[in-house]
Amino acid sequence: DAKTTQPPSMDCAEGRAANLPCNHSTISGNEYVYWYRQIHSQGPQYIIHGLKNNETNEMASLIITEDRKSSTLILPHATLRDTAVYYCIVRVAGGGSNYKLTFGKGTLLTVNP
Amino acid sequence: DAGITQSPRHKVTETGTPVTLRCHQTENHRYMYWYRQDPGHGLRLIHYSYGVKDTDKGEVSDGYSVSRSKTEDFLLTLESATSSQTSVYFCAISEGTPGRVSNQPQHFGDGTRLSIL
Repeated sequence: DAKTTQPPSMDCAEGRAANLPCNHSTISGNEYVYWYRQIHSQGPQYIIHGLKNNETNEMASLIITEDRKSSTLILPHATLRDTAVYYCIVRVAGGGSNYKLTFGKGTLLTVNP
Repeated sequence: DAGITQSPRHKVTETGTPVTLRCHQTENHRYMYWYRQDPGHGLRLIHYSYGVKDTDKGEVSDGYSVSRSKTEDFLLTLESATSSQTSVYFCAISEGTPGRVSNQPQHFGDGTRLSIL
């Protein structure tokens, strides 16, 4: 699976959009981009995933560049409850051990009042 | 939220004792996984299951065994617990269809905090 690079920390004001970047310059054509977050002491929470098109759901939007070498997770109106570590993961689709998720260090997003 | 229940949520036990952690799902998903999370190591896959009675090893399987006798339950057993197995254990589930590649995400339970003294 391709490696990802994320900034270790970011701050965001409550009510503003939080834009979390992820670099995955070695991504392969069959690898998806997944975003998870983990709030302290809780299990990782799935946010969104995509292959090459931009995606949006009730939690966030995912913008993937045309060359697929980077992506941005957008939380449109951050709240204090969005304070968490956010993980960008690149993984092939498929079964067996390919289903393993490799979590890096992620980005600690702190939403300030 | 995905219907995943882990039990117990917290456990303290002594070295050498057997320990069984349970993961129960109500989503009828095919795949189930056990991870452990430790500072400096992130999440590491212990074992996973791709169907009833079908399991396989992950990257840190030594000292652990699993069983899946029903779709909804996946058990993780430490036959003789050691202090190095003190960790937070997470169960995850994902959809999948035999013979078809799936990009469906994994959904995690709230974890079991296990301390081995």
